[in-house]
Amino acid sequence: DTEVTQTPKHLVMGMTNKKSLKCEQHMGHRAMYWYKQKAKKPPELMFVYSYEKLSINESVPSRFSPECPNSSLLNLHLHALQPEDSALYLCASSQGVSWHQPQHFGDGTRLSIL
Amino acid sequence: ELKVEQNPLFLSMQEGKNYTIYCNYSTTSDRLYWYRQDPGKSLESLFVLLSNGAVKQEGRLMASLDTKARLSTLHITAAVHDLSATYFCAAQNTNAGKSTFGDGTTLTVKP
Repeated sequence: DTEVTQTPKHLVMGMTNKKSLKCEQHMGHRAMYWYKQKAKKPPELMFVYSYEKLSINESVPSRFSPECPNSSLLNLHLHALQPEDSALYLCASSQGVSWHQPQHFGDGTRLSIL
Repeated sequence: ELKVEQNPLFLSMQEGKNYTIYCNYSTTSDRLYWYRQDPGKSLESLFVLLSNGAVKQEGRLMASLDTKARLSTLHITAAVHDLSATYFCAAQNTNAGKSTFGDGTTLTVKP
């Protein structure tokens, strides 16, 4: 069991749908991350939030919209996705972006775009 | 731009044997992480290496860091089947939170 909880575990959506991925941690971490991982590839960083403020956006298309409502929650809003966006979306948290501690990853949401 | 290269990408080994996975990074990095990922699962943190000469061990795995050579190694001693997984190294050279991952080494341990 991981300390970072992601819901849903699986999501199938059409290209015109709007959905959201959710991530929650209760470790008091102040940095949270979204990654995209394709099969047999390393995770690719999408966004970093530090103290609830967006600190890194890795030139992610606007059809992905992150939100950090509070220090424990991180959402990823999805709209008008493309088939190539099908992937495993991983949320992670750490004590802080400048702390020398590893990131704790959730189990991910496996997303399929029809 | 920080680049991280791992080799080998695929490793098949027999139980009881030793082997080393290598992780090279292109620019100065102030921290190096090793993660494990089982098929269809999330990433699990194994080691954090911060300084030149750092060595950490957990069970049959030992990680080391040579910052002058920009090289980290993950040594596997007397492999067992349970170690079969994909191992990623990740380097970070800023305080912004961006880690750059290597492509991963998929390890298969056969009886």
